[in-house]
Amino acid sequence: AQKITQTQPGMFVQEKEAVTLDCTYDTSDQSYGLFWYKQPSSGEMIFLIYQGSYDEQNATEGRYSLNFQKARKSANLVISASQLGDSAMYFCAMRDLFSFGNEKLTFGTGTRLTIIP
Amino acid sequence: EAQVTQNPRYLITVTGKKLTVTCSQNMNHEYMSWYRQDPGLGLRQIYYSMNVEVTDKGDVPEGYKVSRKEKRNFPLILESPSPNQTSLYFCASSSLRQGSLLYNEQFFGPGTRLTVL
Repeated sequence: AQKITQTQPGMFVQEKEAVTLDCTYDTSDQSYGLFWYKQPSSGEMIFLIYQGSYDEQNATEGRYSLNFQKARKSANLVISASQLGDSAMYFCAMRDLFSFGNEKLTFGTGTRLTIIP
Repeated sequence: EAQVTQNPRYLITVTGKKLTVTCSQNMNHEYMSWYRQDPGLGLRQIYYSMNVEVTDKGDVPEGYKVSRKEKRNFPLILESPSPNQTSLYFCASSSLRQGSLLYNEQFFGPGTRLTVL
């Protein structure tokens, strides 16, 4: 069974500062994918970034980067130069890549990020 | 525009009154899934479907039914809703990876906020 742990229920960060959202995971799967989603107050789920367990380099997408430490089973999201529009709930999720058929994502409980002007 | 649509977006109902939340995608995806989101619990999978007439239970299927008569549609049915089914519901779709370890994006609908009184 897979498990995602996000230990920060809420965070407050000054605008333009970098922020790290923590995510640790537990799985016995050999190959897996790690995802981060953003959920603004409007409610939709916005895909941010993906990291495969087989990827040797950390994933980056614009201001988002994923700090992947396989031995520690952590997949922290780093947002550089935070903006007011980054205020949202952020979810870490994972999926077993060997489980063909059910593309189920296992989600953490989320971190609510608030950017202070 | 590639999208997943859900209707209704908001619904307030009473205990025991049957309801259906519709989900439709225009990307010809084989895989569709329903999740519910609750505070402190993240998103949990209710049901999923690998193709037409192929459905299976997720982690929290009690009190729900689904059907997949057409590839584009995957309605969620609550035969006798109860207050513990008050939640935010998401439909998602993706292609099936067919044995590949490569990433494929899962597209989420805008969400349906359901309140059962």
